[in-house]
Amino acid sequence: RKEVEQDPGPFNVPEGATVAFNCTYSNSASQSFFWYRQDCRKEPKLLMSVYSSGNEDGRFTAQLNRASQYISLLIRDSKLSDSATYLCVVTGTSSGGSYIPTFGRGTSLIVHP
Amino acid sequence: DTEVTQTPKHLVMGMTNKKSLKCEQHMGHRAMYWYKQKAKKPPELMFVYSYEKLSINESVPSRFSPECPNSSLLNLHLHALQPEDSALYLCASSQDPATGGGVWDTDTQYFGPGTRLTVL
Repeated sequence: RKEVEQDPGPFNVPEGATVAFNCTYSNSASQSFFWYRQDCRKEPKLLMSVYSSGNEDGRFTAQLNRASQYISLLIRDSKLSDSATYLCVVTGTSSGGSYIPTFGRGTSLIVHP
Repeated sequence: DTEVTQTPKHLVMGMTNKKSLKCEQHMGHRAMYWYKQKAKKPPELMFVYSYEKLSINESVPSRFSPECPNSSLLNLHLHALQPEDSALYLCASSQDPATGGGVWDTDTQYFGPGTRLTVL
């Protein structure tokens, strides 16, 4: 089982739609959680940190469910410019005991007119 | 300012060449990272420097040699690479290395634009 799993998609949605992504993680000792956005041939850019209490930034809402070991990202009123790959990042312990960030494979979102 | 810079943007090298990738940040961050990313794959962690010391090496072949000359700079020296090493090499930094304390903001990573490497 992979440490961090995401549905690769693509999610193909019309403008204005609401879309949700989930990301599951296997290490129950994981401590910090992030959503990054990556455009084609560009670097990942931080979208949101995911806090235990959940957090919202405009049209974007992130939630953490520690009991079920998943995080979610909700995008409301999708824009064409939201088209990108959304990467889930979870920081947890490696086999050597250090904390390292682990990326999910990413979920592709395509917003069409 | 959350800027991480990387040079060069593109690099083409032969299998016998020696080259270096450079990364710089002036945010006072104390952790720096090298990642390798192949097309349509997520970034794979290679190395982590914590307070200018190598803290994590994810079993990377010795043809990749990292160096941290000071707290703002991170280099990746390349020698005798193979064509399968062609990829986007990303540098990132965070205020502190992840310590499991659950303090999200300090281990948030900021990425540079990457160096697109082609090995012929």
